[in-house]
Amino acid sequence: EAQVTQNPRYLITVTGKKLTVTCSQNMNHEYMSWYRQDPGLGLRQIYYSMNVEVTDKGDVPEGYKVSRKEKRNFPLILESPSPNQTSLYFCASTSRWRGGLEGEAFFGQGTRLTVV
Amino acid sequence: QQPVQSPQAVILREGEDAVINCSSSKALYSVHWYRQKHGEAPVFLMILLKGGEQKGHEKISASFNEKKQQSSLYLTASQLSYSGTYFCGIYTDSWGKLQFGAGTQVVVTP
Repeated sequence: EAQVTQNPRYLITVTGKKLTVTCSQNMNHEYMSWYRQDPGLGLRQIYYSMNVEVTDKGDVPEGYKVSRKEKRNFPLILESPSPNQTSLYFCASTSRWRGGLEGEAFFGQGTRLTVV
Repeated sequence: QQPVQSPQAVILREGEDAVINCSSSKALYSVHWYRQKHGEAPVFLMILLKGGEQKGHEKISASFNEKKQQSSLYLTASQLSYSGTYFCGIYTDSWGKLQFGAGTQVVVTP
């Protein structure tokens, strides 16, 4: 079954304590990305990755890091979380359509992060 | 900039039609539509590509006006299962950044 798995689903942490949200996909997709979802703002892209070792900033990258050492995994790292990073986070893995274009994105179930 | 969606919310009775619009200030390469039900992840509905090609679920229809940099999603003969928040996402290049609108909340009542 095609899947994007995020962990953890829920996380409460304190300001400044480093954390990692993991994301793994089993579809052999090259393109993966992270989004945060806040009320009234929709989904905003944090980082995306075209392939292993290839990452780039989305619209709201400040305070986040990513790495792509393997094709299936794309972890999101918050080195020093702050309360304004309290949000719902989604990882997505995107298929290619007609060989080169972004196709359907498959989303993980989300991680609800609270930073106190 | 994020694409702009309208309306922000719409309430329908079963069987009624609705249109959700998505507009961009930049030239669009492709438009993607997703639906998210409460507490769930967004789910793919449709891709519309510059030049007219599209791919998506059979029961969903949409249009893409390249000149106006707009796309519209048509909910026809709505069913209860159509309730949710609809997002349009745009690529302004052939790949790279995907920018979503703020969403349109759709409520279908019996």
